Amino acid sequence: SYVLTQPPSVSVAPGQTARITCGGNNLESKSVHWYHQKPGQAPVLVIYYDGDRPSGIPERFSGSNSGNTATLTISRVEAGDEADYYCQVWDRSSDHRVFGGGTKLTVL
Amino acid sequence: QLQLQESGPGLVKPSETLSLTCSVSGGPITRTSYHWGWIRQPPGKRLEWIASVSYSGSTYYNPSLMTRVTISADTSRNQFSLKLNSVTAADTAAYFCARDKYCGGDCFSDWGQGTLVIVSS
Repeated sequence: SYVLTQPPSVSVAPGQTARITCGGNNLESKSVHWYHQKPGQAPVLVIYYDGDRPSGIPERFSGSNSGNTATLTISRVEAGDEADYYCQVWDRSSDHRVFGGGTKLTVL
Repeated sequence: QLQLQESGPGLVKPSETLSLTCSVSGGPITRTSYHWGWIRQPPGKRLEWIASVSYSGSTYYNPSLMTRVTISADTSRNQFSLKLNSVTAADTAAYFCARDKYCGGDCFSDWGQGTLVIVSS
C-alpha cells in the first residue's frame, strides 16, 4: 500500500516560517491534505487539494506539491501553531485513504 | 454546522467485538458527494484510517484491518457504525468518526471529538 513519510519533528522560532514535508512515490499525481492536531483534540483540516484552505484557516497556512514531496508552509509562526501535523492522500488505485506518520511542530 | 458524535463502550475485553456508532447532526448522511469514515489513533501514535462507507452502502477498508472490520450506515437514524472483532490490546486507541469528502481526492473535512476505547480484561 501507499506510504507517506514525514519528519518526526520540526522546530521554529515565533515569527519565522515553518516548512513540514510529506514524501511519497509520484506524490504530485495525488491530492495532498494536511491536518493539525493539538493534544487531546481531534484533527482539523488545514489544507486540502494540495494548497486550498478551508474557511476559517488563516492565510499563513499554505501548501504545495511537486515531484515526490508535498510541503505545508506556515508563515509568521505563532505559539498556538504548536501541534502535530499529518499529511493524507486518497490512493485512487485502491480507494484507500493513507496518513503520514505525523510531524510534531515545536515553537521555540 | 455539521456535528459528529461517537458513542460506544470505553472498555472492551480481549477477543470480543468493539462496536461504535457515529451520530451525525446538521445535515443528512445521504448526500451523494460524501462518504463517512472511521480513523483511530493509539496513545502517542499516528492516525490510522480504518474504513469509510457511503450512504448507499459502498464500503472501503484499510487492508491491514479488513478481515476484522465492518462499517455500515443507517440512513434512518443518520448514523454510521464500526465493528472490530477479535480485539487485542493493540486496538486500544482513540477512535474518531469523520466526514469523508471529495476534495480533489478524499479528505476528512469534519471530525467527531473522538472516544477512547481500552482493550483490557
